[in-house]
Amino acid sequence: GENVEQHPSTLSVQEGDSAVIKCTYSDSASNYFPWYKQELGKGPQLIIDIRSNVGEKKDQRIAVTLNKTAKHFSLHITETQPEDSAVYFCAASGGTNAGKSTFGDGTTLTVKP
Amino acid sequence: DGGITQSPKYLFRKEGQNVTLSCEQNLNHDAMYWYRQDPGQGLRLIYYSQIVNDFQKGDIAEGYSVSREKKESFPLTVTSAQKNPTAFYLCASSWSKGTDTQYFGPGTRLTVL
Repeated sequence: GENVEQHPSTLSVQEGDSAVIKCTYSDSASNYFPWYKQELGKGPQLIIDIRSNVGEKKDQRIAVTLNKTAKHFSLHITETQPEDSAVYFCAASGGTNAGKSTFGDGTTLTVKP
Repeated sequence: DGGITQSPKYLFRKEGQNVTLSCEQNLNHDAMYWYRQDPGQGLRLIYYSQIVNDFQKGDIAEGYSVSREKKESFPLTVTSAQKNPTAFYLCASSWSKGTDTQYFGPGTRLTVL
């Protein structure tokens, strides 16, 4: 089955700096890669996603890049703000078992004012 | 309001008792999922359902059971056979299979005393 590895597990940045979180996946057939943000005590919410026919996608301060050959994708947050502090999860789906998603272990991002 | 709801938010049970967690969605989504989240860890899939009256085991189904009698409802029962049931439980739904965005509920924190 699919295996998703996410790094780093914790990330601390100064307000205004950029943050990058990376994920690798194992199933070359996976074709959908969402990123979720989870605030304390709440359920995760989608912040951006990318499909395998696209290499990069941007939404204001957030961007995701996908390298299908290397089987990795990354989340980039620019001009970080304290409200960006949360746990971020990557996921991969659409591969051998298309009915479910496989999540990374999460990255705790802390933005220091 | 459209969305996915879970109740209750906090649940306490004595060891050896079965307990059922509620999950309801009014998004008209076909697929529904149950995840378990332990402190500092990622999301582990318990069960998922892509259509009414059908469901599949996820990665950690032992000690859990589900039903999908209605499209909008996917209750999870934590049985006494689950050896370590204390955790944060998240329900999600999506339009169809795993290659669609999953919408998460607010979660239920179960504590077994």
